[in-house]
Amino acid sequence: GAVVSQHPSRVICKSGTSVKIECRSLDFQATTMFWYRQFPKQSLMLMATSNEGSKATYEQGVEKDKFLINHASLTLSTLTVTSAHPEDSSFYICSATDTGTNTEAFFGQGTRLTVV
Amino acid sequence: KNQVEQSPQSLIILEGKNCTLQCNYTVSPFSNLRWYKQDTGRGPVSLTIMTFSENTKSNGRYTATLDADTKQSSLHITASQLSDSASYICVPLLRDQGGKLIFGQGTELSVKP
Repeated sequence: GAVVSQHPSRVICKSGTSVKIECRSLDFQATTMFWYRQFPKQSLMLMATSNEGSKATYEQGVEKDKFLINHASLTLSTLTVTSAHPEDSSFYICSATDTGTNTEAFFGQGTRLTVV
Repeated sequence: KNQVEQSPQSLIILEGKNCTLQCNYTVSPFSNLRWYKQDTGRGPVSLTIMTFSENTKSNGRYTATLDADTKQSSLHITASQLSDSASYICVPLLRDQGGKLIFGQGTELSVKP
């Protein structure tokens, strides 16, 4: 089946630094990818929609200057958490839909970010 | 406002037993409904996808039902295993949303030996 690879799986960074998370669709093309954030015991919250070759669409309340999204190719989207703070510590997950079939959303393994 | 309500919020069952999880939704217009399983610290994995015209769909020990008229869905797990312990999330998909999914709280299932 289709696979979405997310890297890194875990990252610890110091306050004020930036962290980049990669999301790759390994065997299909995805013109659209989605980024979610999940706090403990809570549901996935959509942060933004990443569109290949154009600007990302951010959900209300999500700072676009803090969470930079780049979707430079049909198989890669990146999320950069800039000037990270402890409150940014969370579980970040990406998903991608196969452009060809457009029926299934596949999720990455998630990235556990801890800001100290 | 589109909403998804799942019940129960949490459930503990013994290994080998069956269980049924419920989902009520109010989204409209409706494209399809998905059930996902999410293990702790992992990304969600799709169990079933049903269009509004389908009443039931099975995937191994998982059987999902859908009543588009009453906007209710259920996920039945047969002969539960310890590895079934996870969060189960019902996700109705709005039409023309380009694949964007809105997740509810889910049901936290714990299977005990």
